[in-house]
Amino acid sequence: GQNIDQPTEMTATEGAIVQINCTYQTSGFNGLFWYQQHAGEAPTFLSYNVLDGLEEKGRFSSFLSRSKGYSYLLLKELQMKDSASYLCAVRASKAAGNKLTFGGGTRVLVKP
Amino acid sequence: GAVVSQHPSRVICKSGTSVKIECRSLDFQATTMFWYRQFPKQSLMLMATSNEGSKATYEQGVEKDKFLINHASLTLSTLTVTSAHPEDSSFYICSALHTGTVYGYTFGSGTRLTVV
Repeated sequence: GQNIDQPTEMTATEGAIVQINCTYQTSGFNGLFWYQQHAGEAPTFLSYNVLDGLEEKGRFSSFLSRSKGYSYLLLKELQMKDSASYLCAVRASKAAGNKLTFGGGTRVLVKP
Repeated sequence: GAVVSQHPSRVICKSGTSVKIECRSLDFQATTMFWYRQFPKQSLMLMATSNEGSKATYEQGVEKDKFLINHASLTLSTLTVTSAHPEDSSFYICSALHTGTVYGYTFGSGTRLTVV
Protein backbone atom coordinates (compact mmCIF):
# COMPACT_ATOMS: atom_id res chain seq x y z
CA GLY A 1 0.00 0.00 0.00
CA GLN A 2 0.87 3.67 -0.10
CA ASN A 3 1.08 6.05 2.84
CA ILE A 4 1.97 9.65 2.05
CA ASP A 5 2.06 12.33 4.72
CA GLN A 6 2.36 16.08 4.46
CA PRO A 7 1.32 18.93 6.77
CA THR A 8 -2.24 20.12 6.44
CA GLU A 9 -1.63 23.86 6.45
CA MET A 10 1.19 26.37 6.42
CA THR A 11 1.20 30.15 6.60
CA ALA A 12 3.99 32.37 5.35
CA THR A 13 4.65 36.00 4.53
CA GLU A 14 4.97 37.43 1.06
CA GLY A 15 8.62 37.39 -0.03
CA ALA A 16 9.57 34.66 2.42
CA ILE A 17 10.51 31.00 1.90
CA VAL A 18 8.37 28.02 2.79
CA GLN A 19 9.36 24.36 2.84
CA ILE A 20 6.67 21.69 2.54
CA ASN A 21 7.75 18.25 3.67
CA CYS A 22 6.42 14.95 2.40
CA THR A 23 7.18 11.52 3.79
CA TYR A 24 6.12 8.34 2.12
CA GLN A 25 5.98 4.63 2.74
CA THR A 26 5.14 2.78 -0.42
CA SER A 27 5.28 -0.75 -1.71
CA GLY A 28 6.90 0.49 -4.92
CA PHE A 29 8.48 3.74 -6.05
CA ASN A 30 8.93 5.13 -9.51
CA GLY A 31 9.18 8.84 -8.93
CA LEU A 32 7.70 11.61 -6.83
CA PHE A 33 5.70 14.55 -8.13
CA TRP A 34 4.69 17.90 -6.70
CA TYR A 35 1.58 19.67 -7.93
CA GLN A 36 -0.04 23.00 -7.20
CA GLN A 37 -3.81 23.13 -7.05
CA HIS A 38 -6.08 26.13 -6.70
CA ALA A 39 -9.59 25.51 -5.41
CA GLY A 40 -11.91 24.07 -8.04
CA GLU A 41 -9.14 23.60 -10.57
CA ALA A 42 -7.04 20.70 -11.78
CA PRO A 43 -3.56 20.16 -10.36
CA THR A 44 -0.68 21.87 -12.14
CA PHE A 45 2.66 20.08 -12.46
CA LEU A 46 5.52 21.67 -10.50
CA SER A 47 8.33 19.14 -10.24
CA TYR A 48 9.41 15.55 -10.59
CA ASN A 49 12.14 13.66 -8.75
CA VAL A 50 13.16 10.08 -9.36
CA LEU A 51 16.80 10.22 -8.21
CA ASP A 52 18.13 11.56 -4.92
CA GLY A 53 18.98 15.21 -4.82
CA LEU A 54 17.69 18.65 -5.53
CA GLU A 55 15.83 19.78 -8.63
CA GLU A 56 15.63 23.54 -9.07
CA LYS A 57 13.13 25.25 -11.28
CA GLY A 58 12.90 28.99 -10.87
CA ARG A 59 11.36 29.88 -7.51
CA PHE A 60 10.48 26.25 -6.85
CA SER A 61 12.88 23.49 -5.83
CA SER A 62 12.22 19.90 -4.86
CA PHE A 63 14.41 17.47 -2.98
CA LEU A 64 14.25 13.70 -2.72
CA SER A 65 15.87 11.13 -0.45
CA ARG A 66 14.72 7.67 -1.42
CA SER A 67 16.45 5.95 1.49
CA LYS A 68 14.57 8.14 3.93
CA GLY A 69 11.28 8.17 2.04
CA TYR A 70 11.37 11.93 2.17
CA SER A 71 10.86 14.86 -0.13
CA TYR A 72 10.35 18.57 0.24
CA LEU A 73 9.14 21.39 -1.95
CA LEU A 74 10.79 24.74 -1.41
CA LEU A 75 9.00 27.88 -2.48
CA LYS A 76 11.13 31.02 -2.54
CA GLU A 77 10.20 34.69 -2.85
CA LEU A 78 6.61 33.91 -2.04
CA GLN A 79 3.94 35.78 -3.92
CA MET A 80 0.28 36.16 -3.04
CA LYS A 81 -0.65 34.00 -6.04
CA ASP A 82 1.26 31.11 -4.45
CA SER A 83 -1.61 30.69 -1.98
CA ALA A 84 -2.87 27.25 -2.99
CA SER A 85 -2.76 23.59 -2.07
CA TYR A 86 0.44 21.69 -2.78
CA LEU A 87 0.15 17.98 -3.42
CA CYS A 88 2.87 15.39 -3.08
CA ALA A 89 2.28 12.30 -5.20
CA VAL A 90 4.17 9.02 -5.58
CA ARG A 91 4.13 7.00 -8.76
CA ALA A 92 3.96 3.23 -8.54
CA SER A 93 5.94 0.99 -10.84
CA LYS A 94 4.86 0.25 -14.38
CA ALA A 95 3.99 -3.27 -13.26
CA ALA A 96 1.63 -1.73 -10.70
CA GLY A 97 -0.05 0.32 -13.38
CA ASN A 98 1.87 3.58 -13.05
CA LYS A 99 -0.69 4.71 -10.50
CA LEU A 100 -0.20 8.11 -8.96
CA THR A 101 -1.12 8.25 -5.27
CA PHE A 102 -1.53 11.63 -3.63
CA GLY A 103 -0.83 12.81 -0.14
CA GLY A 104 -3.46 14.82 1.69
CA GLY A 105 -2.19 18.12 0.36
CA THR A 106 -0.79 21.17 2.14
CA ARG A 107 -2.75 24.41 2.02
CA VAL A 108 -0.36 27.34 1.93
CA LEU A 109 -1.62 30.79 2.82
CA VAL A 110 0.59 33.69 1.85
CA LYS A 111 -0.02 36.85 3.86
CA PRO A 112 1.03 40.38 2.93
CA GLY B 1 0.85 19.60 -26.50
CA ALA B 2 -0.56 16.95 -24.17
CA VAL B 3 -4.02 18.39 -23.60
CA VAL B 4 -6.85 16.55 -21.91
CA SER B 5 -10.39 17.84 -22.31
CA GLN B 6 -12.94 16.96 -19.65
CA HIS B 7 -16.68 17.60 -19.98
CA PRO B 8 -18.91 18.77 -18.52
CA SER B 9 -17.18 21.18 -16.14
CA ARG B 10 -20.26 21.41 -13.96
CA VAL B 11 -23.38 19.31 -13.73
CA ILE B 12 -26.37 19.27 -11.43
CA CYS B 13 -28.55 16.20 -11.46
CA LYS B 14 -31.46 14.81 -9.51
CA SER B 15 -30.98 12.01 -7.05
CA GLY B 16 -31.44 8.63 -8.73
CA THR B 17 -30.35 9.71 -12.18
CA SER B 18 -27.09 8.91 -13.98
CA VAL B 19 -24.40 11.29 -15.14
CA LYS B 20 -21.68 10.69 -17.73
CA ILE B 21 -18.35 12.49 -17.63
CA GLU B 22 -16.03 12.43 -20.63
CA CYS B 23 -12.27 12.65 -20.65
CA ARG B 24 -10.61 13.07 -24.02
CA SER B 25 -6.93 13.31 -24.94
CA LEU B 26 -6.74 15.82 -27.78
CA ASP B 27 -3.26 15.47 -29.20
CA PHE B 28 -1.93 12.15 -28.00
CA GLN B 29 -3.06 8.60 -27.52
CA ALA B 30 -3.72 7.55 -23.96
CA THR B 31 -3.88 3.83 -23.36
CA THR B 32 -4.24 4.48 -19.65
CA MET B 33 -6.39 7.03 -17.89
CA PHE B 34 -7.09 7.54 -14.22
CA TRP B 35 -10.21 8.78 -12.48
CA TYR B 36 -10.01 10.68 -9.20
CA ARG B 37 -12.55 12.08 -6.79
CA GLN B 38 -11.88 15.05 -4.56
CA PHE B 39 -14.06 16.17 -1.68
CA PRO B 40 -13.78 19.74 -0.35
CA LYS B 41 -10.49 20.49 1.38
CA GLN B 42 -9.26 16.97 0.71
CA SER B 43 -6.76 15.53 -1.73
CA LEU B 44 -7.32 13.52 -4.86
CA MET B 45 -8.41 9.95 -4.21
CA LEU B 46 -7.82 7.47 -7.00
CA MET B 47 -11.03 5.69 -7.96
CA ALA B 48 -9.96 3.55 -10.86
CA THR B 49 -7.48 2.98 -13.65
CA SER B 50 -8.95 2.84 -17.11
CA ASN B 51 -7.15 0.88 -19.82
CA GLU B 52 -8.14 1.04 -23.46
CA GLY B 53 -9.87 -2.09 -24.61
CA SER B 54 -10.04 -3.79 -21.22
CA LYS B 55 -11.93 -3.61 -17.96
CA ALA B 56 -11.08 -0.86 -15.55
CA THR B 57 -9.25 -1.62 -12.32
CA TYR B 58 -11.02 -0.17 -9.31
CA GLU B 59 -9.46 0.86 -6.02
CA GLN B 60 -10.59 -0.80 -2.84
CA GLY B 61 -13.90 0.56 -1.63
CA VAL B 62 -15.02 1.94 -4.99
CA GLU B 63 -18.20 0.31 -6.31
CA LYS B 64 -17.62 -0.73 -9.90
CA ASP B 65 -21.34 -1.10 -10.59
CA LYS B 66 -21.97 2.45 -9.45
CA PHE B 67 -19.05 4.10 -11.20
CA LEU B 68 -19.00 2.66 -14.70
CA ILE B 69 -15.85 3.30 -16.70
CA ASN B 70 -15.53 2.79 -20.42
CA HIS B 71 -12.31 3.29 -22.37
CA ALA B 72 -13.34 2.27 -25.85
CA SER B 73 -10.75 4.25 -27.79
CA LEU B 74 -7.22 5.52 -27.35
CA THR B 75 -8.46 9.05 -26.82
CA LEU B 76 -11.65 8.73 -24.81
CA SER B 77 -12.55 7.44 -21.37
CA THR B 78 -15.93 7.97 -19.74
CA LEU B 79 -17.08 7.75 -16.14
CA THR B 80 -20.78 7.23 -15.52
CA VAL B 81 -22.12 7.79 -12.03
CA THR B 82 -25.22 5.63 -11.86
CA SER B 83 -28.15 6.23 -9.55
CA ALA B 84 -26.44 9.28 -8.13
CA HIS B 85 -27.07 10.34 -4.55
CA PRO B 86 -26.16 13.55 -2.71
CA GLU B 87 -23.12 11.86 -1.16
CA ASP B 88 -21.72 11.41 -4.69
CA SER B 89 -21.47 15.17 -5.00
CA SER B 90 -17.80 15.85 -5.51
CA PHE B 91 -15.11 17.10 -7.88
CA TYR B 92 -14.16 14.39 -10.38
CA ILE B 93 -10.86 14.67 -12.27
CA CYS B 94 -9.40 12.49 -14.96
CA SER B 95 -5.74 12.10 -15.82
CA ALA B 96 -4.18 10.58 -18.89
CA LEU B 97 -0.85 8.82 -18.85
CA HIS B 98 1.35 10.34 -21.49
CA THR B 99 4.33 8.09 -22.00
CA GLY B 100 5.98 10.58 -24.33
CA THR B 101 6.98 12.95 -21.54
CA VAL B 102 8.86 12.55 -18.29
CA TYR B 103 6.07 14.35 -16.50
CA GLY B 104 3.79 11.56 -17.47
CA TYR B 105 0.37 12.75 -16.42
CA THR B 106 -1.95 15.28 -17.96
CA PHE B 107 -5.04 16.25 -16.02
CA GLY B 108 -8.45 17.25 -17.23
CA SER B 109 -10.00 20.42 -15.84
CA GLY B 110 -12.37 18.53 -13.58
CA THR B 111 -16.13 18.12 -13.25
CA ARG B 112 -18.09 19.52 -10.34
CA LEU B 113 -21.01 17.16 -9.75
CA THR B 114 -23.87 18.26 -7.52
CA VAL B 115 -26.66 15.79 -6.80
CA VAL B 116 -29.86 17.34 -5.47
